[in-house]
Amino acid sequence: DQQVKQNSPSLSVQEGRISILNCDYTNSMFDYFLWYKKYPAEGPTFLISISSIKDKNEDGRFTVFLNKSAKHLSLHIVPSQPGDSAVYFCAASALDTGNQFYFGTGTSLTVIP
Amino acid sequence: DSGVTQTPKHLITATGQRVTLRCSPRSGDLSVYWYQQSLDQGLQFLIQYYNGEERAKGNILERFSAQQFPDLHSELNLSSLELGDSALYFCASSPRGREVSYNEQFFGPGTRLTVL
Repeated sequence: DQQVKQNSPSLSVQEGRISILNCDYTNSMFDYFLWYKKYPAEGPTFLISISSIKDKNEDGRFTVFLNKSAKHLSLHIVPSQPGDSAVYFCAASALDTGNQFYFGTGTSLTVIP
Repeated sequence: DSGVTQTPKHLITATGQRVTLRCSPRSGDLSVYWYQQSLDQGLQFLIQYYNGEERAKGNILERFSAQQFPDLHSELNLSSLELGDSALYFCASSPRGREVSYNEQFFGPGTRLTVL
């Protein structure tokens, strides 16, 4: 049972434009969300996180938006750069599961120069 | 470089065999997590250890087991291997994991297991 879903396996965006990656979750107990970025032959690296008490968190070119009522979060990258081309995973965690993360299946982003 | 190391990088073996994957967490991190990533799948949480003790269990098969040693490195043992066990196995570490708080997890580069 996939509790975190990324329904778009891939996304292509022109350099300089906005990339929007989406993630949906089913467990209303999730209260902490993260985005990880993964390059080939490397492990995932942490990008940005958001707690359920917020609806937005920004870090440079990366912004994560959380819509709790829709059980939806999104990652915005502005402006997109070729070096952003990677697979992006969203992850969620609930207080009663300690630090256990539930990951989505990933979205492969290609930024075209 | 996350500071988490995993060995070996690649492993090719036959069905029915047993293998051991090794993980060294970042210096000072007490929690170790194991994940499996099969083709076109997200990272599936297998098991977490905190300071030598099992902390949480996910979708880990009975044929799989893990432990964390006093020096905090961890090993994932996979036995009676099947073709479907072919996957990337990631280890991650975080500073805490026992008390009620959230920490990002730092991932190693993974071990690619191929079962023929």
